[in-house]
Amino acid sequence: AQSVTQLGSHVSVSEGALVLLRCNYSSSVPPYLFWYVQYPNQGLQLLLKYTTGATLVKGINGFEAEFKKSETSFHLTKPSAHMSDAAEYFCAVSPANTGTASKLTFGTGTRLQVTL
Amino acid sequence: KAGVTQTPRYLIKTRGQQVTLSCSPISGHRSVSWYQQTPGQGLQFLFEYFSETQRNKGNFPGRFSGRQFSNSRSEMNVSTLELGDSALYLCASSDGPGQGQTQYFGPGTRLLVL
Repeated sequence: AQSVTQLGSHVSVSEGALVLLRCNYSSSVPPYLFWYVQYPNQGLQLLLKYTTGATLVKGINGFEAEFKKSETSFHLTKPSAHMSDAAEYFCAVSPANTGTASKLTFGTGTRLQVTL
Repeated sequence: KAGVTQTPRYLIKTRGQQVTLSCSPISGHRSVSWYQQTPGQGLQFLFEYFSETQRNKGNFPGRFSGRQFSNSRSEMNVSTLELGDSALYLCASSDGPGQGQTQYFGPGTRLLVL
């Protein structure tokens, strides 16, 4: 079974500082990987996804993530945090070897706080 | 294109009642998935529908059921509600059930069971 681990349930950064949210996955075959963001009282919005090809993936709002197979990681970064980035972030995996299944397995989420 | 819509947005029920939640996918999307989000268990997959057929099911009791209509709209039903069913129920749609398909989420229905 696949699983996702997000290190740090809460991360606090200053406005303008680097944002680093960690995600590690467990899978015998490299899965498809996603980062979603959730603002209060809203659904999930896709930030970026990795399927195949280039391991550095650029997403919306200046976020990017790098797929590292050797480390089974897919950490999310943003060079300079903005107050509007405060939200909860979820890493998710979708199996890559089970036919047409597209079920997402989510990590427990990381709440990002941005301070002045 | 309009996004995924879910109705109602908020719902209060009492234990033992049943509830039906509705989801309209993005126009042209044929696959609909449902997820439950709670503070304790996080985001958990309920089921996935494509072409009116359930293709995948999560580890939930039989009280949780769903269906999909020919226009791809989907409903989920929870019977004999329990306090632990209080959650945000999220619907997501995608072009199809293929591997790596991006799922686009609706705003959710927040269910409170008293």
